[in-house]
Amino acid sequence: QKEVEQNSGPLSVPEGAIASLNCTYSDRGSQSFFWYRQYSGKSPELIMFIYSNGDKEDGRFTAQLNKASQYVSLLIRDSQPSDSATYLCAVNPYNFNKFYFGSGTKLNVKP
Amino acid sequence: SAVISQKPSRDICQRGTSLTIQCQVDSQVTMMFWYRQQPGQSLTLIATANQGSEATYESGFVIDKFPISRPNLTFSTLTVSNMSPEDSSIYLCSVDGAGVTYNEQFFGPGTRLTVL
Repeated sequence: QKEVEQNSGPLSVPEGAIASLNCTYSDRGSQSFFWYRQYSGKSPELIMFIYSNGDKEDGRFTAQLNKASQYVSLLIRDSQPSDSATYLCAVNPYNFNKFYFGSGTKLNVKP
Repeated sequence: SAVISQKPSRDICQRGTSLTIQCQVDSQVTMMFWYRQQPGQSLTLIATANQGSEATYESGFVIDKFPISRPNLTFSTLTVSNMSPEDSSIYLCSVDGAGVTYNEQFFGPGTRLTVL
C-alpha cells in the first residue's frame, strides 16, 4: 500500500472554475501535510501546508484536512491557465525529517 | 525561504562513470535531503544528510552507489557512482525550513542526468 495516494489525472477545468485536488494517506500518525506545485521541467514549489483539521486559506488556495478520514485536499479558486502544473501532496508522519510524496495530479486549466 | 543552487544543472554521462552533484544553500540549515525523480514519477527520498555524521539512506539506496558528503551547514554533494541508464533521472536536493517555519522542505532547481 502506498503511503500517499493521488489521482494522476489529468484534471481539466475551465478558466475561472474551482479545481479540487485530493490526497489520501495511510499513516494515522501523520502530523503535517504539504502541497507542492511542479511545472514541467522545474523543481517542486511549496504552496500550502496544513497541520490542523479544517480549512486553511491562502489567497486563491484552500487546503482542507480531515485526519479522521486520512484525507487532505487542495482547492484552487478562479483557476488560471498559469495554474496548469502537477500538484504533489506530501505527508510528514511521526518521523520529523521524512516526507512521503504522492505521485501527483496533473491539472490543466483551459482558457 | 532559503535560496538553493545545484551544479551541474544537467549532464550527459557514459555508462560506468560517476557524477558528483553539488548543492549550496545561502543560509545554514540542519537537514539536507537528496531526492530522485524519474521521468513521469514522483519524488523518492534517497538519503538525509546531517553535518558531521553519516548520511541516512532509505531502503533501496546504498552508500556505495550514492555516497554523500555534508562538510558544513550550507553545502552537500551526492555522487552517482558506476552509472547505468537506469540512473537517468532528475536529482533534487532540499533543505528543511527549521528556523523559518516548522519542517517544510524547499527544493533546489535539480540536476537532470542522462546516462547513455
